[in-house]
Amino acid sequence: EDQVTQSPEALRLQEGESSSLNCSYTVSGLRGLFWYRQDPGKGPEFLFTLYSAGEEKEKERLKATLTKKESFLHITAPKPEDSATYLCAVTPAGFQKLVFGTGTRLLVSP
Amino acid sequence: EAQVTQNPRYLITVTGKKLTVTCSQNMNHEYMSWYRQDPGLGLRQIYYSMNVEVTDKGDVPEGYKVSRKEKRNFPLILESPSPNQTSLYFCASSKRQGAIETQYFGPGTRLLVL
Repeated sequence: EDQVTQSPEALRLQEGESSSLNCSYTVSGLRGLFWYRQDPGKGPEFLFTLYSAGEEKEKERLKATLTKKESFLHITAPKPEDSATYLCAVTPAGFQKLVFGTGTRLLVSP
Repeated sequence: EAQVTQNPRYLITVTGKKLTVTCSQNMNHEYMSWYRQDPGLGLRQIYYSMNVEVTDKGDVPEGYKVSRKEKRNFPLILESPSPNQTSLYFCASSKRQGAIETQYFGPGTRLLVL
């Protein structure tokens, strides 16, 4: 069964304190791994797509990496506006769907 | 502005009263999908559509119907809602067939079934 597990469930950081979020997956032939950001009361907002092990992508203070079993979302020197829930999702081979993890709630304090 | 819109945003109804949640996208996307989001369970796919008149079940289709008569619209129908369908619903779309493409999400519809 295709499965995505995110850790930690919640993370509290001080402004400027770098950290990483983990997304481990079990999937029948990975076609793509996605990171989304979700603010309270809003729909998920696309951040990154990773397609193969070793791939990395960056956007401002965020950097996503991918291995054969997991992905990391590194947050460098976070700011309070980075507070949100970060969702990881995968597309298995041959399927027309996204399988989501339950997310990591990030809170960055000034 | 490129966007996915959903209506209504909030809905309170009673068990058994048929309802429709509309979804529309203005990006000429082929692929559209419905998800529900529940605490501790994450987002789960209900139905998806690869193009006009082409729909298929996702992981949790029981109690839901969909139709895709026009490319831009993908309504979600609850013929006889029950309390276990109380949830936050999201519509999403992507340019081409398949969830390999980046999906763009609507703002969500919060449904309470009494």
